[in-house]
Amino acid sequence: GNSVTQMEGPVTLSEEAFLTINCTYTATGYPSLFWYVQYPGEGLQLLLKATKADDKGSNKGFEATYRKETTSFHLEKGSVQVSDSAVYFCALIPISGAGSYQLTFGKGTKLSVIP
Amino acid sequence: KAGVTQTPRYLIKTRGQQVTLSCSPISGHRSVSWYQQTPGQGLQFLFEYFSETQRNKGNFPGRFSGRQFSNSRSEMNVSTLELGDSALYLCASSTPTSGSWSYEQYFGPGTRLTVT
Repeated sequence: GNSVTQMEGPVTLSEEAFLTINCTYTATGYPSLFWYVQYPGEGLQLLLKATKADDKGSNKGFEATYRKETTSFHLEKGSVQVSDSAVYFCALIPISGAGSYQLTFGKGTKLSVIP
Repeated sequence: KAGVTQTPRYLIKTRGQQVTLSCSPISGHRSVSWYQQTPGQGLQFLFEYFSETQRNKGNFPGRFSGRQFSNSRSEMNVSTLELGDSALYLCASSTPTSGSWSYEQYFGPGTRLTVT
């Protein structure tokens, strides 16, 4: 079956530190990969996506590259801010002819950035 | 464009009751999916509707049901509520974009259901 494994949290960083959140996946075929972010008391926001091998998704200073050979999609940011404090979810959608839209999520990584 | 809206935002129910949650997708989106989020199980897929038809269903008991209307709005119903049904219920809408296979989903703010 499909599954997503992401690093356990919580992660605490000082402002302007470098961020990496590891994510690996298991899926048949070529899934689309996503990072979602959830701020306290809110729903999920799509942060970035990649649809094929070597694609790099980027948004708001965050980046992730679709690595088929290592089945990974690690999230990185060069300099985090206090406002980046949130829970980050790695997710995939397996692409099939049936056009199913079922997202499979990792368990989430809570990031806290301190001034 | 307005985002995905969910009503109500908060709900308190008693064990054994039933509840109906509503979701209005982004205009033009025809697929609506529902997810349950709990601290223990994380985010779990409930079901997905496309053009009023359930296209996919997760591993939940029959007490969880849903439907989609011709305007793509969706409702989910939980009957005979149990304490373990307390969760954040998230709705997401999506539509395939011409030339794109990303199937990205856009989420609403969720309905926080508390069962006492």
